[in-house]
This record gives sequence, structure tokens and C-alpha cells, in this order.
Amino acid sequence: AQTVTQSQPEMSVQEAETVTLSCTYDTSESDYYLFWYKQPPSRQMILVIRQEAYKQQNATENRFSVNFQKAAKSFSLKISDSQLGDAAMYFCAYRSDGGGTSYGKLTFGQGTILTVHP
Amino acid sequence: DAGITQSPRHKVTETGTPVTLRCHQTENHRYMYWYRQDPGHGLRLIHYSYGVKDTDKGEVSDGYSVSRSKTEDFLLTLESATSSQTSVYFCAIRTGTGDSEQYFGPGTRLTVT
Repeated sequence: AQTVTQSQPEMSVQEAETVTLSCTYDTSESDYYLFWYKQPPSRQMILVIRQEAYKQQNATENRFSVNFQKAAKSFSLKISDSQLGDAAMYFCAYRSDGGGTSYGKLTFGQGTILTVHP
Repeated sequence: DAGITQSPRHKVTETGTPVTLRCHQTENHRYMYWYRQDPGHGLRLIHYSYGVKDTDKGEVSDGYSVSRSKTEDFLLTLESATSSQTSVYFCAIRTGTGDSEQYFGPGTRLTVT
């Protein structure tokens, strides 16, 4: 079974600065997807960014980018120019690319609470 | 929000009572999921469905059952609620197969006293 570990229960950053959230995972599969979800105080789960394991290029979405190290099984999220609205719980998640046998199930890490200081 | 609603949004119940949570979607997606969120554990999969009357267990299915008699509704039942089932419950849908995304409902906060 796959496991996802977020070793930073809490992180903080100053507004306009850059912060990196860490995530490691364990799997024996070669094809899979990795995700970062944001959960603000409203509790809504919001997809921030995704990475396909077969792609060597790191995904980027505006101020959000990832550092995907497949051999090290590491998937960190970098938030640039942090904004007050970035304050939230962030979850790393794994999904197998097993086609019809995986059914798209997600395995989540424990979450990292990000605080943004003005 | 992919047209996902959950009801109720909040519920307080007593130990030993049955509880049913409802997830409703408006876009006829095939795959639906129930997760629970607890501090220190992130979200964990309870049950999932890959079609009408097609369901299977996730990693934390003990004490829960599900039913899906029509595409748009996926019900989660706690047959006899326990305090350990106090949690926030999320329903999710997947928009297709392959690299399609998973979207979440707003969540239900359940407290078992």
C-alpha cells in the first residue's frame, strides 16, 4: 500500500516571501499522480496543483510550483510571493495510475498548516 | 464545485444511534468516494463507488456501510455511531477515468456524544 508523509505539521511565512512544504511518499508503482490540495478555514478542499509521474518537468500554476524528485519519492510545494489568502491546511495526495483497478482512490498525507504573517 | 452537495452539513448524535449522510451530485459522474478527516491523519478513504450498486471498501471501512441505488446519490451509514466516528466527512466525485480530477463536497461535521 502507498503511504504519504508530511513531516511539517505547521509552517509560517511572511507575506510576499517564499515557502516550501515537504511531502514524501512510498510506492512500488511507476505510474501515478501526485497532488497538492488546499483547505482554507471554510473546509472546502481545493486542488492546487498536480504532477504526473511520467513527466520530468515540474508542474507550475501561477505562484505555485512543485519540486518532483521521483527517485527520492519527494514532492514539495513552493509558494512564491505568499499572500494572506494562502493561509490554509495543505495536503499532499497520491493516486495510482492503475487504470481500471485503482478506481482513482486518493491517499493523503497528514497535512501542513500554513500561517501567513502580514 | 462540480455540483456536489452533502447533507446534513452538521449533525450531533448520541452513541448507538444510526446515522446516514447523503452525497448528491448533479453531473452523473461514475466514481464517488467517502473520506473522513481527522487531525494528524489527513483524509482517509472509507468507501467508494464505481457505478450504481458497485461499491467497495476503503482503508477505514469498519463501522460504515454505503449504498448507491442511483447515479446521483451515495449514502454513508453508521449503523451504530460511536465516539470514534466523530469526524468531518467528505464526499468526492471523479469526473472520468485516466487523468481526470477528483472534486470534493463541502463536508459534514459529525459529532457523536
